[in-house]
Amino acid sequence: EAGVTQFPSHSVIEKGQTVTLRCDPISGHDNLYWYRRVMGKEIKFLLHFVKESKQDESGMPNNRFLAERTGGTYSTLKVQPAELEDSGVYFCASSQARLANTDTQYFGPGTRLTVL
Amino acid sequence: AQSVAQPEDQVNVAEGNPLTVKCTYSVSGNPYLFWYVQYPNRGLQFLLKYITGDNLVKGSYGFEAEFNKSQTSFHLKKPSALVSDSALYFCAVRDVMVENFVFGPGTRLSVLP
Repeated sequence: EAGVTQFPSHSVIEKGQTVTLRCDPISGHDNLYWYRRVMGKEIKFLLHFVKESKQDESGMPNNRFLAERTGGTYSTLKVQPAELEDSGVYFCASSQARLANTDTQYFGPGTRLTVL
Repeated sequence: AQSVAQPEDQVNVAEGNPLTVKCTYSVSGNPYLFWYVQYPNRGLQFLLKYITGDNLVKGSYGFEAEFNKSQTSFHLKKPSALVSDSALYFCAVRDVMVENFVFGPGTRLSVLP
């Protein structure tokens, strides 16, 4: 079974540019989460999809971040325009069960974003 | 609000010795506790979780963790460390009301040969 995949693995952009990160969850997993780790600090929750719907987007830092999950399959996270403080590692995770509090989330390898 | 503390940024242990990576938590309800490990250039890998039942939970790669409700702790342990256990370890918590994780800051474990 393929795990969670993320693309690209690294992205270096200049301040003001746009970047789109992609996550492909494990097949059949309805729950998809985005997290990020900035400057070696805690991994912070960004948002949670159940299928194509946003269940919780309370962690999205501001309106420069836009997440979508077309058809309830893969998800994209767009940052537009990027700022220096957006640099960090963006993780995607997926889980199967609808009652997700006890379910294990499986993480992708992350996308390292550097904004210059 | 939920929170997780990992009081040690770095833990060094000699190969073959027991290891402990500490985690304490704060939640309003019953906690669901997880440990993840991140090897260099890899994503977070699930090690083990406590949901309910026995306080001692066994997980992958010989790791185990003990849930202590009175001390609000969930320390990760292994009886005999391997050099290949060197990695970054994250403790995470959820409660019944929240589906996303709250992570600790991570502890870097170095196992010296």
